[in-house]
Amino acid sequence: GAVVSQHPSWVICKSGTSVKIECRSLDFQATTMFWYRQFPKQSLMLMATSNEGSKATYEQGVEKDKFLINHASLTLSTLTVTSAHPEDSSFYICSALRSSYNEQFFGPGTRLTVL
Amino acid sequence: KNEVEQSPQNLTAQEGEFITINCSYSVGISALHWLQQHPGGGIVSLFMLSSGKKKHGRLIATINIQEKHSSLHITASHPRDSAVYICAVVTGNQFYFGTGTSLTVIP
Repeated sequence: GAVVSQHPSWVICKSGTSVKIECRSLDFQATTMFWYRQFPKQSLMLMATSNEGSKATYEQGVEKDKFLINHASLTLSTLTVTSAHPEDSSFYICSALRSSYNEQFFGPGTRLTVL
Repeated sequence: KNEVEQSPQNLTAQEGEFITINCSYSVGISALHWLQQHPGGGIVSLFMLSSGKKKHGRLIATINIQEKHSSLHITASHPRDSAVYICAVVTGNQFYFGTGTSLTVIP
């Protein structure tokens, strides 16, 4: 099946720094990618929808200036957590939509810990 | 081999039918999620299970840890239930997702 990778798989950073997470569709083109966040013992929460070549659409309550999304190519979307704080510590998951098949494939997730 | 297998991949039902979607997994887990996604939309979490059974409205989710199997049931299905249903398991810091079951409920 189609593969979506995320990098890094985990990251620890100091408060105030910025962290970039990459999401790649390895064997198909994805015009749409989604970014999710999950806090411990809670379910997934959609943060934003990323469309190649255009601005991301953010869900209500998600700060677009804090969570910068760039979908510069059909196989890569990045999420940058700017000026990260401990409350941003979470599990971040991306998914990529293989539009020709209307299937969605998920990345393995990135564990962010902000100290 | 995928760590999470769902069946069926596609399902069409008449309104009012009882629907079952199955999920089998091959890894040890701390929790299992059932997720719903409407066309073009993001994911909505329906259930998070670690044992037993949960019910919310017309939706019922069960899990058998020993058999590594979970089922999602929809009673009295309705066209608005049409969506992709995704099973996801959590083990340690890793998520494993099924590829989803596409459900269409016909009026």
